[in-house]
Amino acid sequence: GQQVMQIPQYQHVQEGEDFTTYCNSSTTLSNIQWYKQRPGGHPVFLIQLVKSGEVKKQKRLTFQFGEAKKNSSLHITATQTTDVGTYFCAGGASLGKSTFGDGTTLTVKP
Amino acid sequence: GAVVSQHPSWVICKSGTSVKIECRSLDFQATTMFWYRQFPKQSLMLMATSNEGSKATYEQGVEKDKFLINHASLTLSTLTVTSAHPEDSSFYICSASRAGREQFFGPGTRLTVL
Repeated sequence: GQQVMQIPQYQHVQEGEDFTTYCNSSTTLSNIQWYKQRPGGHPVFLIQLVKSGEVKKQKRLTFQFGEAKKNSSLHITATQTTDVGTYFCAGGASLGKSTFGDGTTLTVKP
Repeated sequence: GAVVSQHPSWVICKSGTSVKIECRSLDFQATTMFWYRQFPKQSLMLMATSNEGSKATYEQGVEKDKFLINHASLTLSTLTVTSAHPEDSSFYICSASRAGREQFFGPGTRLTVL
């Protein structure tokens, strides 16, 4: 079945440094979604990418969808302590079902 | 974003009892609802996909007789953990989606089986 791999598993940065998490699918995706889960909370939807090569920005966050629609990345510029949490990608296939990556847990040292 | 509620937020029960968890989309009609299980510091494991008015589709390895799912309306889905055992203790999260678009997650239910 479809597999979605996400790296790195953990990332610890100094406040102000950049952060990137990568997501790779074993199959071509119809879309990819990114979620953020704060410690003790539930996943919160960030964005969905649909088009090949698509790039979207949300303030300090930049999301990319690969040309082959099999990989994606989330880049945070100048991290802040409020960015801490686990970032999940979810690869969408048929019937609206998505396969979640294992997540990247970001910690930020003030 | 859309709001999805889940009830109860936490439950403690004795081994052998059944527990029902409700998932409601409050401000939109969800064509599909998903049920996940999440262990500490792990990703979300999809248990089943639920479409209103039809039987749920369970992922491989998930016992459909153990985890009963009912999707009675476009705004309500329930998950019943039957004859719960300590190994069923986990964080159960539902999500609601419209026509294959993004998922909106409920706050989750922490189940502890003694």
